[in-house]
Amino acid sequence: SAVISQKPSRDICQRGTSLTIQCQVDSQVTMMFWYRQQPGQSLTLIATANQGSEATYESGFVIDKFPISRPNLTFSTLTVSNMSPEDSSIYLCSVTAANSYEQYFGPGTRLTVT
Amino acid sequence: AQSVSQHNHHVILSEAASLELGCNYSYGGTVNLFWYVQYPGQHLQLLLKYFSGDPLVKGIKGFEAEFIKSKFSFNLRKPSVQWSDTAEYFCAVNEVTGKLIFGQGTTLQVKP
Repeated sequence: SAVISQKPSRDICQRGTSLTIQCQVDSQVTMMFWYRQQPGQSLTLIATANQGSEATYESGFVIDKFPISRPNLTFSTLTVSNMSPEDSSIYLCSVTAANSYEQYFGPGTRLTVT
Repeated sequence: AQSVSQHNHHVILSEAASLELGCNYSYGGTVNLFWYVQYPGQHLQLLLKYFSGDPLVKGIKGFEAEFIKSKFSFNLRKPSVQWSDTAEYFCAVNEVTGKLIFGQGTTLQVKP
């Protein structure tokens, strides 16, 4: 299994500002994903982070709001831009190792926007 | 679009009771199926998975799930729950693209 760390673990931000969340994996992985878990709800996929190219976004999510980088096989960032209280959620990074369908999740970043 | 439906949103059981959580998915092709658990204050953990072969799969902590292809179901079971099983349980389906589609989740509360 892969060990995933996320920074920060939590943050309280003001409306209109941006926050960048980092995801670091202890081994090279093929796929990295970013999910959002809004209060009391299930997980929703935001995008697939592609190494060296633009992320693939799901319906309802756009690059201007959630820019994603993945410079190498073990690291990715998600930025939540121009935040509003509706962005208050837990943001999770997940990874899939090579030749595996198993997906492992990071501890999440709990974001509160005031 | 592919979807996952969990029938029970909130389940309350006494210790030693048996548990069955329903999960149905909508996708006609080959799927990989998962159950994840999120204990209070902890991050999401893989409970068990089905890729192929024996449709009855066993996971950690005495949990098992049965894949019934004709019913598009992957129900989670445990013969005797413990207070420590109190958690949120998520069923998920893996598309060929690799991304997971999650069900709405089921909150299980086990009373001591």
